[in-house]
Amino acid sequence: GQQVMQIPQYQHVQEGEDFTTYCNSSTTLSNIQWYKQRPGGHPVFLIQLVKSGEVKKQKRLTFQFGEAKKNSSLHITATQTTDVGTYFCAGVDSWDRGSTLGRLYFGRGTQLTVWP
Amino acid sequence: EAQVTQNPRYLITVTGKKLTVTCSQNMNHEYMSWYRQDPGLGLRQIYYSMNVEVTDKGDVPEGYKVSRKEKRNFPLILESPSPNQTSLYFCASSLSLTWGTDTQYFGPGTRLTVL
Repeated sequence: GQQVMQIPQYQHVQEGEDFTTYCNSSTTLSNIQWYKQRPGGHPVFLIQLVKSGEVKKQKRLTFQFGEAKKNSSLHITATQTTDVGTYFCAGVDSWDRGSTLGRLYFGRGTQLTVWP
Repeated sequence: EAQVTQNPRYLITVTGKKLTVTCSQNMNHEYMSWYRQDPGLGLRQIYYSMNVEVTDKGDVPEGYKVSRKEKRNFPLILESPSPNQTSLYFCASSLSLTWGTDTQYFGPGTRLTVL
């Protein structure tokens, strides 16, 4: 079945260092979403990527969607302590697969720790 | 204020005692979904609904039921809870899921313990 793999599971960085998390799907995706969850909180939507090869930026965050629409990455430049949390990707099945429209497949998340 | 509300936020119950977790959104969203979150496993989709009276199974539907009789509400029903359903549950809603511009809003979560 459909799987979305996300690595690394944990990342510890010093404030100011960069951070990247990667997601890979076993099948082509319609689109991919990224979320951030602070400790004790609920997931908060960050962005959705739809087009092949798409790159979007939000201040220090850069999101990419692969050309084949099977992989994605989130890169944070110069991390800050406010970036602490778990980052999840979630893939939506491709229209070509016909069924399961509405199914969302989450990666297991990357837990980011930033020390001052 | 746009929001997704869940009740209760915390619940401790015993095996076999039927329970319902309510979910309500005030954004007129078509799409609603339930997830469970377990350590090391991330978020797994239980059920989702594309619109009123339309529901479908997610990854882990066994032991759960849902209904979508009206747009704003999407309750999660555990007919006979078991200890392996101890988890953190999130409800979420979105205008739709298919048009590339759809923010999915999550509720605050319900922490369920089944003894």
